[in-house]
Amino acid sequence: DQQVKQNSPSLSVQEGRISILNCDYTNSMFDYFLWYKKYPAEGPTFLISISSIKDKNEDGRFTVFLNKSAKHLSLHIVPSQPGDSAVYFCAASPYNFNKFYFGSGTKLNVKP
Amino acid sequence: DVKVTQSSRYLVKRTGEKVFLECVQDMDHENMFWYRQDPGLGLRLIYFSYDVKMKEKGDIPEGYSVSREKKERFSLILESASTNQTSMYLCASSFGGSSGNTIYFGEGSWLTVV
Repeated sequence: DQQVKQNSPSLSVQEGRISILNCDYTNSMFDYFLWYKKYPAEGPTFLISISSIKDKNEDGRFTVFLNKSAKHLSLHIVPSQPGDSAVYFCAASPYNFNKFYFGSGTKLNVKP
Repeated sequence: DVKVTQSSRYLVKRTGEKVFLECVQDMDHENMFWYRQDPGLGLRLIYFSYDVKMKEKGDIPEGYSVSREKKERFSLILESASTNQTSMYLCASSFGGSSGNTIYFGEGSWLTVV
């Protein structure tokens, strides 16, 4: 059973608008969460992370929000750019155990 | 910058062949991982290693084995390749210890088994 879920396989957004990608998890032992971006035929690249002691982390146009009670995190991209078009994976890691669990990915298409 | 290098980007192998996928990282990371990526299934963990000569099965280890003789190198072995092992294979590494570490990926190896 998947412990990290991305229920939206795809998302289409107009350039300049906000993109919101969602991720849910089931394991309450997860305490570190990451987002990765992946272009076709390339490996995933790290975007942004958040520890469970925080509820928000920002890095430029990217903000990750964590709602521990709902076991939900989201990635906001503002403003969206065509170069953001890629597959986005969320990942989670349990406390004191270096194993990473990935969601199935959301393909973002930012239209010019 | 962290560098995870996968030696082969594109391979075509025949059913039944033994296949080796090599991965090297240059950041002295304790942990190394092999994932495969398939459409709609995301990244699935095959094996990981938290130290030299140590290995643990991931979620889909059947048909695979691994070798870690040196800290910087982690090899994935397909003992007898089958067509359902056609996939993109991703090697990754991270520091060990407590959580809060980022995992870094290589460029990926596209394997086609015919």
